[in-house]
Amino acid sequence: ELKVEQNPLFLSMQEGKNYTIYCNYSTTSDRLYWYRQDPGKSLESLFVLLSNGAVKQEGRLMASLDTKARLSTLHITAAVHDLSATYFCAVGVSGGGADGLTFGKGTHLIIQP
Amino acid sequence: GAGVSQSPSNKVTEKGKDVELRCDPISGHTALYWYRQSLGQGLEFLIYFQGNSAPDKSGLPSDRFSAERTGGSVSTLTIQRTQQEDSAVYLCASSLWRFAEQFFGPGTRLTVL
Repeated sequence: ELKVEQNPLFLSMQEGKNYTIYCNYSTTSDRLYWYRQDPGKSLESLFVLLSNGAVKQEGRLMASLDTKARLSTLHITAAVHDLSATYFCAVGVSGGGADGLTFGKGTHLIIQP
Repeated sequence: GAGVSQSPSNKVTEKGKDVELRCDPISGHTALYWYRQSLGQGLEFLIYFQGNSAPDKSGLPSDRFSAERTGGSVSTLTIQRTQQEDSAVYLCASSLWRFAEQFFGPGTRLTVL
């Protein structure tokens, strides 16, 4: 059974600081996604990582994937209040009938002025 | 263009009643997924459709849950004899093809009294 672990689950940080959210998964995967969820809203797709060593950046967020270590990171640079949200990583396993994504529990991020 | 839409946005029902939840995927997306999100269980995969067929029903929690998709487009998730533990937000997602990026709808918040 595929397990996806995120840490930390809760993070309070100050504006201007840098931090990293980690996503570990238990079995071989070829697809990893990062989503953002604001309170009372649905999931917004941030990044799609499909290969070992993949790195993607959008604004102050950068995601990377190490398939050998079964680890993805979401790095926040010089955080601003607008980035406050819950961030989920999700892992897909192709084939074997397991077509849905398995999500981590989410990291609740609060960025304080 | 239009995103994934779901209806109703909120549904309150009494224990033992049947409910139907609807999802309209993004036009042209062949893959459709149902998930549910609850405080206790996080985000869980329920079922996946490719076209009108459902090759992966592995996440349906019981035989009270069923889903169909017609015309390769609209999908309906039906929960029979609802129980209080069915209370959750039910999210629908669609993707262009089987392993592509999934885009989520706004969800249906189901409350079973």
